[in-house]
Amino acid sequence: GAGVSQSPSNKVTEKGKDVELRCDPISGHTALYWYRQSLGQGLEFLIYFQGNSAPDKSGLPSDRFSAERTGGSVSTLTIQRTQQEDSAVYLCASSLGQGVNQPQHFGDGTRLSIL
Amino acid sequence: GQQVMQIPQYQHVQEGEDFTTYCNSSTTLSNIQWYKQRPGGHPVFLIQLVKSGEVKKQKRLTFQFGEAKKNSSLHITATQTTDVGTYFCAGWGGANNLFFGTGTRLTVIP
Repeated sequence: GAGVSQSPSNKVTEKGKDVELRCDPISGHTALYWYRQSLGQGLEFLIYFQGNSAPDKSGLPSDRFSAERTGGSVSTLTIQRTQQEDSAVYLCASSLGQGVNQPQHFGDGTRLSIL
Repeated sequence: GQQVMQIPQYQHVQEGEDFTTYCNSSTTLSNIQWYKQRPGGHPVFLIQLVKSGEVKKQKRLTFQFGEAKKNSSLHITATQTTDVGTYFCAGWGGANNLFFGTGTRLTVIP
C-alpha cells in the first residue's frame, strides 16, 4: 500500500507477557518514529530512526521497551514484561529524509490492552 | 524539558461559529506543524510554518506563527461538522523529535 502500515491493529495480552508491534513505513522514507497515545491524550515520543544512524531512544519510558529497524525499512517495537500502564495506542510515523521540515505520515496504530 | 501546551483542551461550538486553538512552547521553535486527528483515526498533517510571523491559509483554516516563534494559532471560520476532531500542534526544538502539543478536541454541534 501507499501508506504506513502497522500490525496488529489490536493486541490484548496478559500482564507480564512480551509483545511485538510492527511498522512498515512508506517506501523511500528514511525517518521512522514511534509514539504512544493514551486515551484522550497527546502523543508521547518514544524513539526515532534515521537511515543507518544510531536511533534516538530518549523517549523510551523504561528498559522494558526496545525497538529495531532492519534494513532501514520495517521496524519492530518490543515491550517486555508488559504492565497495565503500557495500555495505549502505539503509533508509527515515517517521513522523507531527516525530520525537520518534513511532515510525518502516521499509520493507524496498534491498540494495546494489558489485562 | 521542552513542553508544548495547547488551549483550550476542549471546545464545543455550534455549526457556523468560529473556532481558535492556541499553542505555546516553553522554548523557541525552528518550525511548527499542525495535525488533525479524527475520532478513532490517526494524526494527519495539515501544514507547516517556518518563518517568524508567518500566516498561511487553507480554505476556512488560518494558521499563524508568532513573532518570537514560541506560539502559534489555528483559526477555523464558520465551522462545519467535518471539522470535528483533535487538533495538535507540534514543534521542532532542534532535536530529532517532534514535541506534540496536548491537543484541542473540537466538537461541532449541528
